[in-house]
Order: sequence, then C-alpha cells, then structure tokens
Amino acid sequence: DTEVTQTPKHLVMGMTNKKSLKCEQHMGHRAMYWYKQKAKKPPELMFVYSYEKLSINESVPSRFSPECPNSSLLNLHLHALQPEDSALYLCASSGRQASYEQYFGPGTRLTVT
Amino acid sequence: AQTVTQSQPEMSVQEAETVTLSCTYDTSESDYYLFWYKQPPSRQMILVIRQEAYKQQNATENRFSVNFQKAAKSFSLKISDSQLGDAAMYFCAYRSYNQGGKLIFGQGTELSVKP
Repeated sequence: DTEVTQTPKHLVMGMTNKKSLKCEQHMGHRAMYWYKQKAKKPPELMFVYSYEKLSINESVPSRFSPECPNSSLLNLHLHALQPEDSALYLCASSGRQASYEQYFGPGTRLTVT
Repeated sequence: AQTVTQSQPEMSVQEAETVTLSCTYDTSESDYYLFWYKQPPSRQMILVIRQEAYKQQNATENRFSVNFQKAAKSFSLKISDSQLGDAAMYFCAYRSYNQGGKLIFGQGTELSVKP
C-alpha cells in the first residue's frame, strides 16, 4: 500500500479561525513532509519530520504549527491565516534512505477568507 | 545551493507520438538523486521515474525513459507512445544525498496531449 491520505479535501476558514490538516500513512515511512503549492507552481517545502522529530523548518510563519504525534500521523495546525495562505497543502512521506522517493497525498485545498 | 531549471513552461504532443521534456540542474555534489513527478489537473502528484547519479545507465519505466547526462547536468524525460492520460504538469526534482530529504523542484512543464 503506497497511499498517503489527507483530510479534509477542502477547507474554507476565516482569518480568525483555528483549524487543522491531517495526514496519515501506513507504509512504515519515518520521514514526513508538508508542502504548500500554488496553482501551476512547484510545491514549496514547509516542514520535514524525521523519526517524529522536526528536522527542517523552512522559515515558515508561526501561524502554521506542525505536529507529529506518531510515526504514521502528521498534523498541520492553522491559526490566524492570511488570504495569501490559500493554496493546496500537500503531505508526503518517504523511507529512511535518501534515495527513497517521496509519496504524496492528494492534498487539502485551503481557502482563507 | 542547488537549482533545477525546466525551460519549457508548456509542451504539446500528438497522441501516440513521442515527446521530450527538458531539465537541467546545478550542483557541486557528486552524489544525488533526480526524479520526475507527474501531477494531473486536480489530482495527486505521483512519481514517474527516478535516477541515481552514480548509475550511468538511464532509468526506464515502461513508456517513460530518461536521458541522464551527468557532466552536462541534464536530465530529460522522454514519453513514448503518448496517451491522453499523460496530460499533466511534470516536475523535475533534485534530492541531495545528505540534506534531510529536501526535494528541489523545477518550475514545471505543462504537457497537453492532442487526440
């Protein structure tokens, strides 16, 4: 099973709301990633978790807060977002070795009003 | 820092024909990995093919093959017998051997397939 699942598929939130995105994989992968993608642009890396520890934070604003409760689950907590944060948020996972490819989830389409 | 360049924002191919998408990259490293990802409209990004830099042999996956020229830092993707389902955004990506799994993407090439 090479599936990464993400919920919800779509999310509309106001600038004062708090919401969370969820990502799950059951492939035994030990690295998980959050990306932000604007239309017709490549994904931009936000965070990397390796063995449930945050290993890379690409200078993401603090209104985005990642969490990795266990090796299969990755959350992204959202608070006080701006309209320019509207985008497709992709989760990915990969095996331990550097050569292992990343498997992407279908994404959550976020709209901030 | 590494960079990846895809110089063709859009490409078009006739069904059943062959098309080649270009990708060049810049790095000072000798060990790395290169990938082509496909993202159909409103659909999931999937891996098409990967290449380890230490391998001289070009990777092949069914109708997809690469032309990897390490000295020229070029990594093009050839799609043979193009099908309507090949229409998508294609991203070339670079992954360093030792940088925590970070993928560096090119800007993408949007491929359309004409029936």
